[in-house]
Amino acid sequence: TVVTQEPSFSVSPGGTVTLTCGLSSGSVSTSYYPSWYQQTPGQAPRTLIYSTDTRSSGVPGRFSGSILGNKAALTITGAQADDESDYYCLLYMGSGISVFGGGTKLTVL
Amino acid sequence: EVQLVESGGGLVQPGGSLRLSCAASGFSFSTYAMTWVRQAPGKGLEWVSTITVPGSHTYYADSVKGRFTMSRDNSRNTLFLQMTSLGVEDSATYYCSQSVPYHLVSWGQGTLVTVSS
Repeated sequence: TVVTQEPSFSVSPGGTVTLTCGLSSGSVSTSYYPSWYQQTPGQAPRTLIYSTDTRSSGVPGRFSGSILGNKAALTITGAQADDESDYYCLLYMGSGISVFGGGTKLTVL
Repeated sequence: EVQLVESGGGLVQPGGSLRLSCAASGFSFSTYAMTWVRQAPGKGLEWVSTITVPGSHTYYADSVKGRFTMSRDNSRNTLFLQMTSLGVEDSATYYCSQSVPYHLVSWGQGTLVTVSS
């Protein structure tokens, strides 16, 4: 099973963007415990959201997670320039196995 | 403050072996699962393996199963990844991560592994 994400997305400063995380076969539910990670070039990833919609410590409130339809979603409300990063979702597949999505490159311009 | 410091990366020939370490501090290491994640140059993140508390269970991605072995020494607050039969496709930055069920909490800065002749 492949975890799918939009390869790229663009948002204007102050705008709202929703990135999604789906499955090549089937629907994402809370049972997959979707989590989201932000990575800027040359840096280690940073945990943003876990268990679908729980913000990690220190993460600004403009980041939120949810299930939209058959996908997990990461919404950034009021995007800022320093939100320009790569975003990855991680799904728990069961039996101890997790799989990352391919990542979404977000441009803020 | 949680600190995770990876080491042991470097240049290795195809078919060779390498052992990565991750020194943990700032949290109760023995009470957390730990995970290795890798990232090939210019590519996305790939979950590699997870070891449970107290280390009785390990899980591996299909891409490394049978070649990589994850272990931990709770007395030394250190995580290991023994990698064998390395191929060019294993070239990546390897990150260790403090984990809880189903997600990753904190990350190290990574160690680079290059497999090349």
